[in-house]
Amino acid sequence: AQTVTQSQPEMSVQEAETVTLSCTYDTSENNYYLFWYKQPPSRQMILVIRQEAYKQQNATENRFSVNFQKAAKSFSLKISDSQLGDTAMYFCAFMKQDDYKLSFGAGTTVTVRA
Amino acid sequence: EADIYQTPRYLVIGTGKKITLECSQTMGHDKMYWYQQDPGMELHLIHYSYGVNSTEKGDLSSESTVSRIRTEHFPLTLESARPSHTSQYLCASSDMMALYGYTFGSGTRLTVV
Repeated sequence: AQTVTQSQPEMSVQEAETVTLSCTYDTSENNYYLFWYKQPPSRQMILVIRQEAYKQQNATENRFSVNFQKAAKSFSLKISDSQLGDTAMYFCAFMKQDDYKLSFGAGTTVTVRA
Repeated sequence: EADIYQTPRYLVIGTGKKITLECSQTMGHDKMYWYQQDPGMELHLIHYSYGVNSTEKGDLSSESTVSRIRTEHFPLTLESARPSHTSQYLCASSDMMALYGYTFGSGTRLTVV
């Protein structure tokens, strides 16, 4: 399995502010996919955003955007205008092309304060 | 609505009992997966299937077994539950290329006493 590292176990942010979650990964592959998943307390894990390694342009989904640095093997997630509903555990995940298996980081717990 | 369903949501059971965790999806996905997640911890792949009658062990060794007799159904069985099996078990599925990652179920939180 690939190694995915999330170095921030917990993050706290004020409502309407911005928070950035870090993720690094280790791979010798050139073609792969990166994902951020959100797991709210006692609820279903859902996909937040995805990035294809061959695309240089950073992915954006509404208030969520990534900073993908392929050479540095870094894939950070920025949550803008944080909302109370963003409170959740966030997982970074890696998948090699044609492998279909996701490798996850340890997760970062994000708490949005009112 | 297409989705993936896991039952039971919570299960407390005694040591030595046989248990089956159910997972079904209505999306027609070929690929299905089981992950084990301890509290506040990363997910570890324990089983996966790329189609009917195809099952493989994942990266984390597990005493559980799985079967895939129908496309939509991917149950996980523990023949003799032990306290060390206490964990959350997440089922997921993906289409053929998994380019958009997985769809996850809500999970089964298993406690063996």
